[in-house]
Amino acid sequence: EVQLVQSGAEVKKPGESLRISCKGSGYNFTAYWIAWVRQMPGKGLEWMGITYPGDSDTRYSPSFQGQVTISVDKSITTAYLQWRSLRASDTAMYYCARVTYCPGTGPVCYFDAFDIWGQGTMVTVSS
Amino acid sequence: DIQMTQSPPSLSASVGDRVTITCRASQGIRNYLAWYQQKPGQVPKLLISGASSLQPGVPSRFTGSGSGTDFTLTISSLQPEDVATYYCQKYYSVPLTFGQGTRLEIK
Repeated sequence: EVQLVQSGAEVKKPGESLRISCKGSGYNFTAYWIAWVRQMPGKGLEWMGITYPGDSDTRYSPSFQGQVTISVDKSITTAYLQWRSLRASDTAMYYCARVTYCPGTGPVCYFDAFDIWGQGTMVTVSS
Repeated sequence: DIQMTQSPPSLSASVGDRVTITCRASQGIRNYLAWYQQKPGQVPKLLISGASSLQPGVPSRFTGSGSGTDFTLTISSLQPEDVATYYCQKYYSVPLTFGQGTRLEIK
């Protein structure tokens, strides 16, 4: 079964660091990108960034550039989302999702829709 | 960057009604548009990609259409299990922007 399994809920204090994870299984992990999506309480989906396990190429949304770090360890088929100093405004559910690149049979490559999602990791930041 | 705008923000309809949700891109995106369904307390689920291609297992009452800047998601006969928030998303190139969502309720 193709799945992304995320690490468990976290409760942190402002200023603390955190790394959450997303482990892929049931498919060729290096053949797909992994995206991260934030959903603040009662709000919509926000794309944060995307990483390629094959070579660790990573792209960020301008809204999240410099605020988080996305990384990946292909040897253990796991992607990460990391904060150096959490703020209360980082309280949210975070999802990872699988993304195909070069989905067609032709020469043109592009990012496809997010077909498989992790179960989400709830991060609560409170003093 | 391309902005995605959905309307209406919320919608209340009766079982059996035909429901339409609109998504507009600030620039043309050809057909690189996806729709997701997020039921209360659940993970988002991909419904439609390529503006109109239903994912396997998605009921045929869901239809996507449009190209360029204007897209629609239509539910031909609303069912109780369709209560959810629906999001459009442009893909192809970063940023992979979502619309702000449309919350669908049963009247």
